[in-house]
Amino acid sequence: NAGVTQTPKFQVLKTGQSMTLQCAQDMNHNSMYWYRQDPGMGLRLIYYSASEGTTDKGEVPNGYNVSRLNKREFSLRLESAAPSQTSVYFCASSGPRGPHSGDEQFFGPGTRLTVL
Amino acid sequence: AQTVTQSQPEMSVQEAETVTLSCTYDTSENNYYLFWYKQPPSRQMILVIRQEAYKQQNATENRFSVNFQKAAKSFSLKISDSQLGDTAMYFCAFYNAGNMLTFGGGTRLMVKP
Repeated sequence: NAGVTQTPKFQVLKTGQSMTLQCAQDMNHNSMYWYRQDPGMGLRLIYYSASEGTTDKGEVPNGYNVSRLNKREFSLRLESAAPSQTSVYFCASSGPRGPHSGDEQFFGPGTRLTVL
Repeated sequence: AQTVTQSQPEMSVQEAETVTLSCTYDTSENNYYLFWYKQPPSRQMILVIRQEAYKQQNATENRFSVNFQKAAKSFSLKISDSQLGDTAMYFCAFYNAGNMLTFGGGTRLMVKP
């Protein structure tokens, strides 16, 4: 079991460029999440997906889009990157109950993104 | 809105000693969940311990235990017999029905040999 995997591990973009962060989990979890972590701060929720085919905004969704491609995969897209989006991005998954159940969230290793 | 506050940005402890990390939260809900996550230098977020608010008994996982004071909205983490591998950022997090996981700002713990 790989758990939650993320690609890439590091990325440098120029302002205005676009990119997609990939996330996959092999734990058969229903719920998946994208967070960002800024220096000296805890994680903040960007988007989540309670189940395949559904997505909802979290605390900081502006500038991002997501796709729940299937039960395993949940991608995060930056259409026009800005320096304010420089951060470490974490994907997580939980299950088998819904995201409001208090199930433990399992995290990927993170992607460090720098926007110049 | 829920808020989670960790008032100790940094702490240090000698190996084999005990340390307590503080966390307070604000909510009007009665049923919710609280977590402590550890983030070592590798950046991987690892669940340390979980507490359900309706349970009176404090959660314990080996050397890790919590002091959950519901009325005071306090959820502190005690690490006994500290080990060098406990060096990490520790995040308190709050989770209730109808809302998402909200993290505190973290406490950086250094275990000294």
